[in-house]
Amino acid sequence: EVQLVQSGAEVKKPGESLKISCKGSGYSFTSYWIGWVRQMPGKGLEWMGIIYPGDSDTRYSPSFQGQVTISADKSISTAYLQWSSLKASDTAMYYCARPRYSSGWTFDYWGQGTLVTVSS
Amino acid sequence: EIVLTQSPGTLSLSPGERATLSCRASQSVSSSYLAWYQQKPGQAPRLLIYGASSRATGIPDRFSGSGSGTDFTLTISRLEPEDFAVYYCQQYGSSSWTFGQGTKVEIK
Repeated sequence: EVQLVQSGAEVKKPGESLKISCKGSGYSFTSYWIGWVRQMPGKGLEWMGIIYPGDSDTRYSPSFQGQVTISADKSISTAYLQWSSLKASDTAMYYCARPRYSSGWTFDYWGQGTLVTVSS
Repeated sequence: EIVLTQSPGTLSLSPGERATLSCRASQSVSSSYLAWYQQKPGQAPRLLIYGASSRATGIPDRFSGSGSGTDFTLTISRLEPEDFAVYYCQQYGSSSWTFGQGTKVEIK
């Protein structure tokens, strides 16, 4: 069974750094892209970027380029999303999701989400 | 970047009624790369439709998708209580994904 399990909720202060994770299981982790999607409180879904753990090829949405870093450690089947200096506007739910070519690059599996709260 | 605009923002209907949701793209989208998702409060989105009209695994046949080019539609033939949720369209192109802003289907 394919599963994406994300790390737990975080409460941080502005200016702090953060790295959240997404562990894949039940499939070949290095053979599928993993993406990150932001959902701000009461708002819609925004694609942030994506990584191919097999070779760490990474693509970013223009809206998030330079704002976050996506990485992966294939030895432990885990993808990461990190910030070097959080802002209050980074408060959101963050989902990892796996896109699949055979279904038109749709996100067919999703993590449970990680809630990030940034407040002084 | 292709912008997806969904309408209406909110649809107020009763169980048993038909729901018609629209997704309009700022430029032509390949039908192969247009999808619909359902999201309920406190849950991750769930894939409903891919390739504009193909139902994902386990999705009931009351959900159907149609359209091409810049205009796409999600239809729920008869609303069940569990269908009241927010629905998003999504497109893929040039190694980039975009979502519409969502349509909330609420109980009237």
